[in-house]
Amino acid sequence: GAVVSQHPSWVICKSGTSVKIECRSLDFQATTMFWYRQFPKQSLMLMATSNEGSKATYEQGVEKDKFLINHASLTLSTLTVTSAHPEDSSFYICSAEPRANEKLFFGSGTQLSVL
Amino acid sequence: GQQVMQIPQYQHVQEGEDFTTYCNSSTTLSNIQWYKQRPGGHPVFLIQLVKSGEVKKQKRLTFQFGEAKKNSSLHITATQTTDVGTYFCAGLRGGYQKVTFGTGTKLQVIP
Repeated sequence: GAVVSQHPSWVICKSGTSVKIECRSLDFQATTMFWYRQFPKQSLMLMATSNEGSKATYEQGVEKDKFLINHASLTLSTLTVTSAHPEDSSFYICSAEPRANEKLFFGSGTQLSVL
Repeated sequence: GQQVMQIPQYQHVQEGEDFTTYCNSSTTLSNIQWYKQRPGGHPVFLIQLVKSGEVKKQKRLTFQFGEAKKNSSLHITATQTTDVGTYFCAGLRGGYQKVTFGTGTKLQVIP
């Protein structure tokens, strides 16, 4: 099946710093990628839809200036958590679909801890 | 907005017992997907159901899509320890490009 690579797997940073997370589709082109946030023992909460070559579509309540998304190519989307604070600590995970409205392939996730 | 609820939230079963999780959407869906997430892992696609009343089987797993396309179920026969994980349904509404994930059911299998 299709492979989605996500890096880094975990990151620890100081409060106030910015963290960039990469999501790559390795064997298919993805015009659309999705970014989620998952708290312990909870479901995946969609943060934004990343569209290649255009602005991301953010879900209600997600700060676009806080969570910067860039989808510069058909195989790469990045999520930058700007000026991270302890409340931003969470598991962030991306997904992509080789074909619209079919199955999603997920990256392995990034555990962010902000001290 | 659309809500997708799953029950139960947690389920502990003895190995060999059956397990069922139910998924209910507040809106009619065009299709529904099921994913499994192992502890510490990422969701992995299991199946997609599209037709009203559709039933699909994968070995010991049986998936069903309701007639009204607002609910779905996943039934596991004779659970094994390898079935441990959280099962999510994810519904897609017509005209939308994104799925909404259910609240998930965490399955624990006691050997």
